[in-house]
Amino acid sequence: QQQVKQSPQSLIVQKGGISIINCAYENTAFDYFPWYQQFPGKGPALLIAIRPDVSEKKEGRFTISFNKSAKQFSLHIMDSQPGDSATYFCAASFAYSGAGSYQLTFGKGTKLSVIP
Amino acid sequence: NAGVMQNPRHLVRRRGQEARLRCSPMKGHSHVYWYRQLPEEGLKFMVYLQKENIIDESGMPKERFSAEFPKEGPSILRIQQVVRGDSAAYFCASSPKALGTEAFFGQGTRLTVV
Repeated sequence: QQQVKQSPQSLIVQKGGISIINCAYENTAFDYFPWYQQFPGKGPALLIAIRPDVSEKKEGRFTISFNKSAKQFSLHIMDSQPGDSATYFCAASFAYSGAGSYQLTFGKGTKLSVIP
Repeated sequence: NAGVMQNPRHLVRRRGQEARLRCSPMKGHSHVYWYRQLPEEGLKFMVYLQKENIIDESGMPKERFSAEFPKEGPSILRIQQVVRGDSAAYFCASSPKALGTEAFFGQGTRLTVV
């Protein structure tokens, strides 16, 4: 199974609040878990990524939490700003093993709206 | 250093026509991926190419779709005899090496079949 399930589909957060997006995967051979941010009419841009040997990674206001036993990972956006309003995609790949040609398997996306 | 360049940005084709989508990877990148995005959906892998070679086309429909990445020039995704269901955004990503952790996406080509 190479599915990645993402929730919620949409999210509304007040400015300054915490946005949390969750993803779950089936294939334990995945070894790279990136999050992408996409603005309307643009291509996805890499936001932050994690490997399964680490439980948490933080870059500025963005944090990935990774639970290997539960096969889940989540993106937390602290102090959310209106400029963070975009669609966020989680993904998974076999980046280090090469299985599956390094292709990314994406979740269906979460549309985040941060209201003032 | 210019990013991944895709053209055209928007393409309208009548049913039965051919669509050609172009992707110029970032300088120094020799690995190209094509993805398709349907409305309200995530991106779906189509094909992975290196210069002059198709490495993995497991996500490509068996008919009407083809891709190439010649020694010189951009990568081309070609859709023959387009149908309404081909309407989607097509994204190209490139990376500098086979290690799949540094994929940079272009802005996409939005194909509309009328």
